[in-house]
Amino acid sequence: DSGVTQTPKHLITATGQRVTLRCSPRSGDLSVYWYQQSLDQGLQFLIQYYNGEERAKGNILERFSAQQFPDLHSELNLSSLELGDSALYFCASSIGAGDHSYEQYFGPGTRLTVT
Amino acid sequence: AQTVTQSQPEMSVQEAETVTLSCTYDTSESNYYLFWYKQPPSRQMILVIRQEAYKQQNATENRFSVNFQKAAKSFSLKISDSQLGDTAMYFCAYSGNTPLVFGKGTRLSVIA
Repeated sequence: DSGVTQTPKHLITATGQRVTLRCSPRSGDLSVYWYQQSLDQGLQFLIQYYNGEERAKGNILERFSAQQFPDLHSELNLSSLELGDSALYFCASSIGAGDHSYEQYFGPGTRLTVT
Repeated sequence: AQTVTQSQPEMSVQEAETVTLSCTYDTSESNYYLFWYKQPPSRQMILVIRQEAYKQQNATENRFSVNFQKAAKSFSLKISDSQLGDTAMYFCAYSGNTPLVFGKGTRLSVIA
């Protein structure tokens, strides 16, 4: 158990819909990262938040957005869903901010299926 | 942009034997970190080993060790005394000024 929690574990929804994925980081970690794992693209970094502020942005679509709340939990919002958005979405947390050398602890992931 | 290449999509090894997984990367940064992550069938991402680029000494963690060749931009993972529980996808990853960049992974099967 990494100490990072993600809900829900599984999500099935239809094209065009909007969903919210939730992540709680390990106690003491201020950074939250979101990754997408799909068969086509492999594991891709989406976005990072540090203590409530966006810190780094990767290959995140404009239809996707995220935020980190004062209690440090984070939410990833996916809208206008397409079949290609079906993937495993991971949240990871670490102590570090701009320094990405710190170990990232991964949550169990949310499996999103878009039908 | 940094890239990570794992040239072996699949590998297999007999239990108790040694196997080496290959990884190469491309970067122009001078300060960076390299990682190997394991993803078993449960899908959980587990950090296996971490290497700082400024350290010449190869990292080791119990049965896992790396061969870090900075000039060649190579970072291979050696698993000794392979166990059935080592069966998993293994991802090589790089981080420098950006968060983790992953390779496509190598599926390792340990055979009894």
